[in-house]
Formats: sequence, C-alpha cells, structure tokens
Amino acid sequence: SQQGEEDPQALSIQEGENATMNCSYKTSINNLQWYRQNSGRGLVHLILIRSNEREKHSGRLRVTLDTSKKSSSLLITASRAADTASYFCALRDNYGQNFVFGPGTRLSVLP
Amino acid sequence: EPEVTQTPSHQVTQMGQEVILRCVPISNHLYFYWYRQILGQKVEFLVSFYNNEISEKSEIFDDQFSVERPDGSNFTLKIRSTKLEDSAMYFCASRRTGNTEAFFGQGTRLTVV
Repeated sequence: SQQGEEDPQALSIQEGENATMNCSYKTSINNLQWYRQNSGRGLVHLILIRSNEREKHSGRLRVTLDTSKKSSSLLITASRAADTASYFCALRDNYGQNFVFGPGTRLSVLP
Repeated sequence: EPEVTQTPSHQVTQMGQEVILRCVPISNHLYFYWYRQILGQKVEFLVSFYNNEISEKSEIFDDQFSVERPDGSNFTLKIRSTKLEDSAMYFCASRRTGNTEAFFGQGTRLTVV
C-alpha cells in the first residue's frame, strides 16, 4: 500500500484566514479520507472523497481531488483557534481494504 | 451518533506481560481495523478483519499480536509479551462495506515499563 505525503509539514496562520493542506500520492486510489487529530487524542473523520469525485464540501471544509496530478487538498475557510490540530490524509488503493496514513500537517491557528 | 468505543483509555503494563485492548465497533459495520501511533510519529496500519478472519496485516503485526471478535460486538487486540517499543496509542476503526469512510475510536494509550 502506498502512503500519502502531506505538505506543508506545519502551517501557522491567524484566526480568520484560510488554511490549505495538500496530499500527494503515487499510484491509483479507490478513495482518500481526511482526518483531524487534536494533540494526544483520537482521529476524527472529516471527509471521504472517492476516485470519481472532484470536490466535496462539509461546513467550512472543502476537499478537492485531482487524479491526473495524484493530489488532494483540504481547505479550511475562516479558521478558528479550535481548528488547531494535525490533519492527515489516508489513502485506500484499489487492491486492499486497509488505508495508509501520511505523516500529517500540523496546523496552528493563532488568535 | 454511533461511535467506536475503546477500553481502557490508558493501560500501563510490565514488559513481558500480556495485554488485551478492547473495542466495540459501530454496530452495522463489517470491516474492523487496528492502527497504532507511536508518540510523535505517523499512524501505522496493523491489521484488518472481515468476515471473522484477518483480511490484511502489516509487518508490524507479528506472532506477538492476535485479534479476535469473541462475540457480536467486541473486537480485541492481544499482545502476548509486550516490549518497550509496543508503547503507543492503539486505535480501533470500523466501516461498512463498499467505498466508505472508516471511523476511529478515541484510542488506548499503552505504556510498557
């Protein structure tokens, strides 16, 4: 199974600004999921985007998927201090049932 | 809203002891997973379970590890003889069939001393 690579590794923004995180991968995927993790806590599912989808929204979150570039992005609009967390992409390829996590982007939203 | 629950939230054990981590997946889910995260590192796949058997496992999931679904609700991870390097947060996850999202529990922090 392949691993996604998020960038940047760390991002620091002011409250109210937008945050964009990217996930790149190497081979074909079945779907890609984004998760949030507050320090030392559990993994909270944010959005799943399937390989035949290009964009999905959930509240202030927008996820895009470009299969030709093998990349996905997570946009958080109008960020809040409570958005401070690590964000991970998790890939499921076409061959198995498990999904592989990238190393994550650590987002800090400053009040 | 249904959720995956894990117990205990924190377990401290002596090196060489056996531990059992417990999970109750979401009730209509059919795929179950264990992942682990060593402090400050990435989330690593251990094993997936479907139809009462292991469907995939990683290199980490060696003979010291086993999983079981002893009844219709629980899903357990057993580590037979714990090592210091087994200290990590262990996450259980579940999902329905098809191209669906996986939901994670809050994790069990295992500390081996």
